[in-house]
Amino acid sequence: QKEVEQDPGPLSVPEGAIVSLNCTYSNSAFQYFMWYRQYSRKGPELLMYTYSSGNKEDGRFTAQVDKSSKYISLFIRDSQPSDSATYLCAMSVDDKIIFGKGTRLHILP
Amino acid sequence: DTGVSQNPRHKITKRGQNVTFRCDPISEHNRLYWYRQTLGQGPEFLTYFQNEAQLEKSRLLSDRFSAERPKGSFSTLEIQRTEQGDSAMYLCASSRSGFEQYFGPGTRLTVT
Repeated sequence: QKEVEQDPGPLSVPEGAIVSLNCTYSNSAFQYFMWYRQYSRKGPELLMYTYSSGNKEDGRFTAQVDKSSKYISLFIRDSQPSDSATYLCAMSVDDKIIFGKGTRLHILP
Repeated sequence: DTGVSQNPRHKITKRGQNVTFRCDPISEHNRLYWYRQTLGQGPEFLTYFQNEAQLEKSRLLSDRFSAERPKGSFSTLEIQRTEQGDSAMYLCASSRSGFEQYFGPGTRLTVT
């Protein structure tokens, strides 16, 4: 079992819909939970990070962590075509980050 | 703050040749990381530096790979005797905290 599991998609949703992206993990030692966005042929861009279980909101984005279930989510409200990208979940322990495979998201105009 | 920069952006080389990539981190960041990313995968950790000290190397980093960070500023990643399996995007990231890493645009390596 990989340390971080993420469905690669692709996921296609109409503009304006709420998007839900998820990851599961197996290592209880993970301390920080991040979401990165990566456009084609670009480096990943840090969107949000959380430390504890619960929700964190930033504009149209909400990150959710459930440590008891080892499950994290990213919700995107009012999705826009410019949100089309690959979304990578990532988890940190001891200054090292482990990434999921990424989910390719397409927002259809 | 101009962000993390990497050069070159693209490199095409023949199998067996040596290549070197450069990463310039965000100036006040003391941690610098190298990752490799292949199509359809997330970035995989290769190695990291705190200042000039190389603190950890992944098992992915064979003896053909070497990284340096002289004086704790920019870093170079060298691949000797390249193989077709080395074709990938090589990403550099820098950080103050460890978990909050900022990535450069990457160097795309194609080995023919």
